[in-house]
Amino acid sequence: NAGVTQTPKFQVLKTGQSMTLQCAQDMNHNSMYWYRQDPGMGLRLIYYSASEGTTDKGEVPNGYNVSRLNKREFSLRLESAAPSQTSVYFCASSEAIAGRYGYTFGSGTRLTVV
Amino acid sequence: GNSVTQMEGPVTLSEEAFLTINCTYTATGYPSLFWYVQYPGEGLQLLLKATKADDKGSNKGFEATYRKETTSFHLEKGSVQVSDSAVYFCALARPNFGNEKLTFGTGTRLTIIP
Repeated sequence: NAGVTQTPKFQVLKTGQSMTLQCAQDMNHNSMYWYRQDPGMGLRLIYYSASEGTTDKGEVPNGYNVSRLNKREFSLRLESAAPSQTSVYFCASSEAIAGRYGYTFGSGTRLTVV
Repeated sequence: GNSVTQMEGPVTLSEEAFLTINCTYTATGYPSLFWYVQYPGEGLQLLLKATKADDKGSNKGFEATYRKETTSFHLEKGSVQVSDSAVYFCALARPNFGNEKLTFGTGTRLTIIP
């Protein structure tokens, strides 16, 4: 029962470098999400995808792009990393946008930008 | 709009103490309510949920009752263990309200001392 798989688990980038965080779910969920978690800030939604082929901005989208590659995969790209993007990133999925059964989360990617 | 207000932390208790973490919400209609737990270095895991008024969710010795009259979903456990040390998030969802997403509280850090 893999659930939501995120790669990589840890990453260190230099300012200005780019990278893509990968996320895949095997639960046949329609909706997927990217959050960042910072100390004292709780969870903040970056982007989400209500269904395959659609993506929308969350509350903190600046500096990020996303791709819903297919129903299973939803990637997050940092085009030019900045120290302010140092955070822990979580991917999540659900059967519908505000699913009756909540979201299933991945184990996170800890990103440090130096 | 929707909101979730959680008891501010951090909360520190001795092993075998009684735990209450308060959660109140603001939402119209009849939301589903959730408690998530995040252990150190891990993603969020669904701990328990309740989908209608007066429902009681329970798991791993934790309980929470959906109280519509007081708009609350307080988390309780009769005797906490060191292994319960984690961050706890209260959340709500309204499954039938269009493109609305899960709303999270800011989290409450719980530390149990042996």
